[in-house]
Amino acid sequence: QVQLVQSGAEVQKPGASVKISCKASGYTFTNFYMHWVRQAPGQGPEWMGIINPHDERATSAQQFQGRLTLTRDTSTSTLYMELSSLTSEDTAVYYCARSVSGSFYLSDFWGQGTLVAVSS
Amino acid sequence: NFLLTQPHSVSGSPGKTVSISCTRNSGSIASTYVQWYQQRPASAPTTVIYEDTQRPSGVPDRFSGSIDTSSNSASLTISGLKTEDEATYYCHSYDSANLNWVFGGGTRLTVL
Repeated sequence: QVQLVQSGAEVQKPGASVKISCKASGYTFTNFYMHWVRQAPGQGPEWMGIINPHDERATSAQQFQGRLTLTRDTSTSTLYMELSSLTSEDTAVYYCARSVSGSFYLSDFWGQGTLVAVSS
Repeated sequence: NFLLTQPHSVSGSPGKTVSISCTRNSGSIASTYVQWYQQRPASAPTTVIYEDTQRPSGVPDRFSGSIDTSSNSASLTISGLKTEDEATYYCHSYDSANLNWVFGGGTRLTVL
């Protein structure tokens, strides 16, 4: 069965970076794009970007360009999301979400989420 | 990017029917598909409707979706309400030109 298991909660200081992992299993890793979505407390989800695990090509939402890096490790079927220059507004739960094959807008499996708290 | 606006909350009694609206502020609601996600506390969102009207396998047929071009909005309708339907529901679409997902602000459903 498809599983996306994310790394644990993080507390970071303003100005620091955070790197979250999403380990995939139960399917062919390189065949499915992966989205990253975050959700601030009490707010709706916000799309961050998408990565193609096959060639590591990634697209970021405009508001994250320059401080979001999406990567993958095919040897461990793990994807990574790194966000730099953190501020308190980056406090959120971060999710990886597998894209339905052939569709940019559909997702079928989500990770459990990783809480990132940014505080001095 | 366009915006999707939802009511903050709706409520209904068990067995009744409720509808949640999602209004698009620019561009046609019919130009890109609308999805609906259900999110329970401390859980990831799950899809209950995709491509305006389609239900994923496992989602009961009490859940239905529609779009209305006259009001430029989409709706999620839940009939035969159950207490287990209590959750926050988000509409979702995408900006195909800018490669971006757009979410509504969410509607909290209370089953009284």
